[in-house]
Amino acid sequence: AQSVTQLGSHVSVSEGALVLLRCNYSSSVPPYLFWYVQYPNQGLQLLLKYTTGATLVKGINGFEAEFKKSETSFHLTKPSAHMSDAAEYFCAVSDGGSSYGKLTFGQGTILTVHP
Amino acid sequence: NAGVTQTPKFRILKIGQSMTLQCAQDMNHNYMYWYRQDPGMGLKLIYYSVGAGITDKGEVPNGYNVSRSTTEDFPLRLELAAPSQTSVYFCASSYNGGGGGYTFGSGTRLTVV
Repeated sequence: AQSVTQLGSHVSVSEGALVLLRCNYSSSVPPYLFWYVQYPNQGLQLLLKYTTGATLVKGINGFEAEFKKSETSFHLTKPSAHMSDAAEYFCAVSDGGSSYGKLTFGQGTILTVHP
Repeated sequence: NAGVTQTPKFRILKIGQSMTLQCAQDMNHNYMYWYRQDPGMGLKLIYYSVGAGITDKGEVPNGYNVSRSTTEDFPLRLELAAPSQTSVYFCASSYNGGGGGYTFGSGTRLTVV
């Protein structure tokens, strides 16, 4: 069975500081990995994804993530936080093309950005 | 493009009542999903569908039912509502069911009292 662990349910940074949100997963087959963002009272929006190929993937709003197979990690980073980045972030994993797209989500990390 | 539309946005049910959460997508996606979101728990898959007439259980299907008579619609039925079903429900769709990612609806906040 797959699982996703997001380290830290709350992360607080200052505006302009580095954002690092951690995600570790377990999967018995090569995974597809995703980061989603949820703003208050809204649905989730896809930030970025890794399926195959280049292990460093870039997404929207200046975010990027690196797939590290040896560490079973897919951490999300952004060099300089903006106030508009305040939201809840979810890491998710699927078993590649064999799982009908079913996702297993982490518990979420709430990002707070201070002025 | 409307994307994925969920109705209603909010609902309060009494214990034992039933209701249907509506979900419709206009992107001609074959794959559709229902998740529930509880604070600190992430999202859990209730049911999913890979095409009209084909549905299957997810991780937490008890107390729910679904149907998929058309590509566009994927309603979720709650029978005999219980307080444990208080949650935010999200419908999502996907073009290829694999690496494309989901398009989510805006959610239905359900309270059972």
